[in-house]
Amino acid sequence: NAGVTQTPKFQVLKTGQSMTLQCAQDMNHNSMYWYRQDPGMGLRLIYYSASEGTTDKGEVPNGYNVSRLNKREFSLRLESAAPSQTSVYFCASYPLGGPGELFFGEGSRLTVL
Amino acid sequence: AQSVAQPEDQVNVAEGNPLTVKCTYSVSGNPYLFWYVQYPNRGLQFLLKYITGDNLVKGSYGFEAEFNKSQTSFHLKKPSALVSDSALYFCAVREASGTYKYIFGTGTRLKVLA
Repeated sequence: NAGVTQTPKFQVLKTGQSMTLQCAQDMNHNSMYWYRQDPGMGLRLIYYSASEGTTDKGEVPNGYNVSRLNKREFSLRLESAAPSQTSVYFCASYPLGGPGELFFGEGSRLTVL
Repeated sequence: AQSVAQPEDQVNVAEGNPLTVKCTYSVSGNPYLFWYVQYPNRGLQFLLKYITGDNLVKGSYGFEAEFNKSQTSFHLKKPSALVSDSALYFCAVREASGTYKYIFGTGTRLKVLA
């Protein structure tokens, strides 16, 4: 039982390049999230998907797009990467029903040169 | 809008002493409150949560937290710190009104000194 799986774990991009971070969960969870973690800034919510077919902006959505491909998968796309998007990205998921906690992946470290 | 404040970037405590990591929150309605821990190069691990009921909640690894509605606080505590508790701790809040948005604080680095 893998939980929340993120790929890739590490990526280096040049400014202006595009890439997609993939996230998949095998816990049959309804809601999925993308956060970024930066020193001194904590975790900031980029986008979330409360259920399959819906997505909503979080605190810092500019420069990102998301796709809830199906119930299992939630991808984060950087269309034109900028150095300010250098960060560690975390995907999380949450089951249907009940005010429970988020389950996190191990993170994807992205460097934009 | 929801928000969480963790006023201390770092907390130092001697091994065996009690520890407190502070968290205050702001939501428009009732809160759901959470504490997570992060070890180096790892994802976040859930420690404990407050949903309703008893203001003192107990969680993993001997941690507990006290919900104080009047002070809008949810401080993390442990009676006797271990060196292995050294890590980054995050407080998070979600409004109970139906939104699925979880907002995190900036994190507090706990350093337990032997």
